Amino acid sequence: ETGVTQSPTHLIKTRGQQVTLRCSSQSGHNTVSWYQQALGQGPQFIFQYYREEENGRGNFPPRFSGLQFPNYSSELNVNALELDDSALYLCASSSETIQETQYFGPGTRLLVL
Amino acid sequence: AQSVSQHNHHVILSEAASLELGCNYSYGGTVNLFWYVQYPGQHLQLLLKYFSGDPLVKGIKGFEAEFIKSKFSFNLRKPSVQWSDTAEYFCAVILGSGGSYIPTFGRGTSLIVHP
Repeated sequence: ETGVTQSPTHLIKTRGQQVTLRCSSQSGHNTVSWYQQALGQGPQFIFQYYREEENGRGNFPPRFSGLQFPNYSSELNVNALELDDSALYLCASSSETIQETQYFGPGTRLLVL
Repeated sequence: AQSVSQHNHHVILSEAASLELGCNYSYGGTVNLFWYVQYPGQHLQLLLKYFSGDPLVKGIKGFEAEFIKSKFSFNLRKPSVQWSDTAEYFCAVILGSGGSYIPTFGRGTSLIVHP
């Protein structure tokens, strides 16, 4: 176990809806990154937050947005859900920049119908 | 854009066999390289990483990887696998200085070790 927790564990939504996923970082970590992992694929980087500011973004549209709170917990928000958004969403925390060891949470499995 | 290729999607071995999983990346500059493992029902966790220095890197559980810059490769090896090594293995690359610091993962290799 890594100390990174995510909620909920599973979620079912319909196309067009909005979803919020939550992540609690490991104690002492001020950097959080979010990934999308489609079935049979590796994790794809969505974005990273460092001290409450976005610090890097992958190739995802603006309907994917995030927040990091003063306690370094984080949210991933996805608007206007599409069927292709069905995936496992992983959160990872680290103590400094992204090159340092990342500690992954168990993920939230999202199904969009 | 950088990319990471893991050529073996599924590998099946018997216990005590040797393992080598391939990883190639497409970027000519400085890179930071990682291998992650996901055991069944567990979180993704770091096996080993290479930033600089000795190109032969040793990780946890007897795994090692060799960075060969001329071949853009970072293959994972273990001389004798165990049933408990059954897992999904992911190679990842982050560009070094001057890069975007966005990590790119390969699609993973599923390893099954028969007892």
